[in-house]
Amino acid sequence: QQQVKQSPQSLIVQKGGISIINCAYENTAFDYFPWYQQFPGKGPALLIAIRPDVSEKKEGRFTISFNKSAKQFSLHIMDSQPGDSATYFCAASNRGGSEKLVFGKGTKLTVNP
Amino acid sequence: EAGVVQSPRYKIIEKKQPVAFWCNPISGHNTLYWYLQNLGQGPELLIRYENEEAVDDSQLPKDRFSAERLKGVDSTLKIQPAELGDSAVYLCASSLESTEPQYFGPGTRLLVL
Repeated sequence: QQQVKQSPQSLIVQKGGISIINCAYENTAFDYFPWYQQFPGKGPALLIAIRPDVSEKKEGRFTISFNKSAKQFSLHIMDSQPGDSATYFCAASNRGGSEKLVFGKGTKLTVNP
Repeated sequence: EAGVVQSPRYKIIEKKQPVAFWCNPISGHNTLYWYLQNLGQGPELLIRYENEEAVDDSQLPKDRFSAERLKGVDSTLKIQPAELGDSAVYLCASSLESTEPQYFGPGTRLLVL
């Protein structure tokens, strides 16, 4: 049973555009939702994370939107740049992150110049 | 500050051979994780350590996989004997405490022939 469903599997956007990646979860006990960025040959790097007490969190060009009732959260990348081309993973955990992270299958983002 | 260090970065072995991976977490991080990442998939937790204690090893195939974290710092993950299906990237991550963000190493890419 896949606990975190991520879409789309791949995404192509033009430089300067907005990239949107969506995730849906099933376990209502999840209370910590990070996004990771992974470049080829590298380990995942924490990008931004949100807890369900807020509906949105912004850090620079990256924004997480969280909809608790719909059990969905999304990553928005504003003014997308070629350097943002990577694979993005959403994840979820409960007990404030003390339990294991459950990852989505990833979205491969390509930003064309 | 140095990140999570893993070695080797790449390993090619024949099936039925043993293999070991080593991880040095970020200094001061009490929690250490081993993840398995198959191609095109998100990481999946194998085992989590709190200091030297394995607190979650439910996903570790104990018939062939073993892990240890001596003195609560470095950790070793071993596979014996390796099977073709073990070909994947093995990621190590660490966090200050279990509720803090996880930081990943670059991974060890294993190919079993």
